[in-house]
Amino acid sequence: GAGVSQSPSNKVTEKGKDVELRCDPISGHTALYWYRQSLGQGLEFLIYFQGNSAPDKSGLPSDRFSAERTGGSVSTLTIQRTQQEDSAVYLCASRSTTDNEQFFGPGTRLTVL
Amino acid sequence: DAKTTQPPSMDCAEGRAANLPCNHSTISGNEYVYWYRQIHSQGPQYIIHGLKNNETNEMASLIITEDRKSSTLILPHATLRDTAVYYCIVRVAYRDDKIIFGKGTRLHILP
Repeated sequence: GAGVSQSPSNKVTEKGKDVELRCDPISGHTALYWYRQSLGQGLEFLIYFQGNSAPDKSGLPSDRFSAERTGGSVSTLTIQRTQQEDSAVYLCASRSTTDNEQFFGPGTRLTVL
Repeated sequence: DAKTTQPPSMDCAEGRAANLPCNHSTISGNEYVYWYRQIHSQGPQYIIHGLKNNETNEMASLIITEDRKSSTLILPHATLRDTAVYYCIVRVAYRDDKIIFGKGTRLHILP
């Protein structure tokens, strides 16, 4: 079956602009996670959604970052007034309630000029 | 903070076994050891996990010491495609919580 997909694969934007990154999880997966990976760094947790529960936003670095998950499926990560330090690969993962593992998408490479 | 310590990089000759160590001295009784890897320009990929017994699957073997304070991931016959960053993680299984990734070990497979 299809894995986690993300779009766009690459995004170049100017400082101060808003961007939206999309994640399509594996069908039927109830949990969805966003991480980011800056150049040469490890993966940093941002936010996760589980079913209808309130999302865990503890990893969001600032109030410029927000995420939604509509209908328990597709998720959008929004970064407002982008800064150069937001440049990173943004990774999405999903997980079913019966699996041990999170399945990761290919990521969106964001470059803020 | 990541609860694991790994060497930043390792080399292994193609065809040989790659043994990647991980220290997790503060692991709790209900925490499992997980391994993921990230091949360049791809998202992380799950490899294997275990609690206290050694585990083996089609990708690798996981050896956990009796005191559970360290473990070793073994790739029995490394190929060039195994070149990646390998992350050792401790976490409670079957929990929908975030993964705390450390810096991992960058494994270079040498031809």
